[in-house]
Amino acid sequence: AQSVSQHNHHVILSEAASLELGCNYSYGGTVNLFWYVQYPGQHLQLLLKYFSGDPLVKGIKGFEAEFIKSKFSFNLRKPSVQWSDTAEYFCAVISGNTGKLIFGQGTTLQVKP
Amino acid sequence: GAVVSQHPSWVICKSGTSVKIECRSLDFQATTMFWYRQFPKQSLMLMATSNEGSKATYEQGVEKDKFLINHASLTLSTLTVTSAHPEDSSFYICSAENTGELFFGEGSRLTVL
Repeated sequence: AQSVSQHNHHVILSEAASLELGCNYSYGGTVNLFWYVQYPGQHLQLLLKYFSGDPLVKGIKGFEAEFIKSKFSFNLRKPSVQWSDTAEYFCAVISGNTGKLIFGQGTTLQVKP
Repeated sequence: GAVVSQHPSWVICKSGTSVKIECRSLDFQATTMFWYRQFPKQSLMLMATSNEGSKATYEQGVEKDKFLINHASLTLSTLTVTSAHPEDSSFYICSAENTGELFFGEGSRLTVL
């Protein structure tokens, strides 16, 4: 079955630490890839997306993600996290076959001041 | 960016009653909207694809007679949870596509007593 897997369920970091959240998907063929963030009490917001072109994608708030096709991965990174980055992060994929947005399980990031 | 609004943001109802949740695209037209369900500390699960002017497409395992979807106009889709039971308590989120990007509503938290 098609799936999206996020390896880290709960991550705790201190401010200024570097962040990398893993995301793997199991689709073959063309995919569009997304990272969404959900701050406490707020709705989902798009951090960044990859459709084609440069596999290293820059997003908002200093986030970036790298698409590695051979590894079916789209990991999210940030060099130096802030307390305000505390949130739930979701990786999501639209496969060309289905056109449906499928989410990973989500990763809770807690940044300690 | 585009705005998607849901109403109500939270609702409490008695078991056996029906509840309607509205999803509106405020500044764009959406021929397709998506309904998701999010359990606590879990990911968003796609329930159905709402198509303006035609029947919704439901994901496997989602009861179409229980979760009635109506997409009567290009800016409004409704999800009606019929004969609600406590196990239907959840966080329901809608999304709509605009210029290749999905925008999400704030979510509606349903509690069935």
